[in-house]
Amino acid sequence: GENVEQHPSTLSVQEGDSAVIKCTYSDSASNYFPWYKQELGKRPQLIIDIRSNVGEKKDQRIAVTLNKTAKHFSLHITETQPEDSAVYFCAASPTLRGSTLGRLYFGRGTQLTVWP
Amino acid sequence: DTEVTQTPKHLVMGMTNKKSLKCEQHMGHRAMYWYKQKAKKPPELMFVYSYEKLSINESVPSRFSPECPNSSLLNLHLHALQPEDSALYLCASSQAPRLNSPLHFGNGTRLTVT
Repeated sequence: GENVEQHPSTLSVQEGDSAVIKCTYSDSASNYFPWYKQELGKRPQLIIDIRSNVGEKKDQRIAVTLNKTAKHFSLHITETQPEDSAVYFCAASPTLRGSTLGRLYFGRGTQLTVWP
Repeated sequence: DTEVTQTPKHLVMGMTNKKSLKCEQHMGHRAMYWYKQKAKKPPELMFVYSYEKLSINESVPSRFSPECPNSSLLNLHLHALQPEDSALYLCASSQAPRLNSPLHFGNGTRLTVT
């Protein structure tokens, strides 16, 4: 099955700096890559996603880039704020193919702390 | 506000109890999921229902029994759980599993097994 590696596991930045979280995946059939933010004690919330026919997507201070050849994708947060502090999970989802129906493979998460 | 509603928010049960977790969504989504999440870990997939039929069971022990009464409701019946089953149980839905559409998570039920 798919294997998603996520780095770093913890990241501390000063308010206003940028933060980058990187993920790699193993299954070339993966074609959907969402990012989830989970604040302490809350549910994971989708913050941005990208499909394999697109190389980059941006939404205000958040952007995701995808390199299909190298099988890696990254989350970029600019002008970080203390409220960006949370655990961020990347995920990959292969094309529908038998037993991979409806399955997201998550990375292990990155604890982002933004210091004021 | 969350569009996927889970009850109860917290549950404490003994190892001999029987309880149920409930999940409801009214977004017209046809795929519903149960995930288990331990502290500081990613969600682990347990079950997937697609068009009210169980399509994925990730080798979950039989003490967890899912049920999908209709397209809006999803239950997880619990019986004879172990303390290591204590975790946050998340329900999620998506438009349809074949479209790789975004997952919408509920707020979860925090389960403690004593």
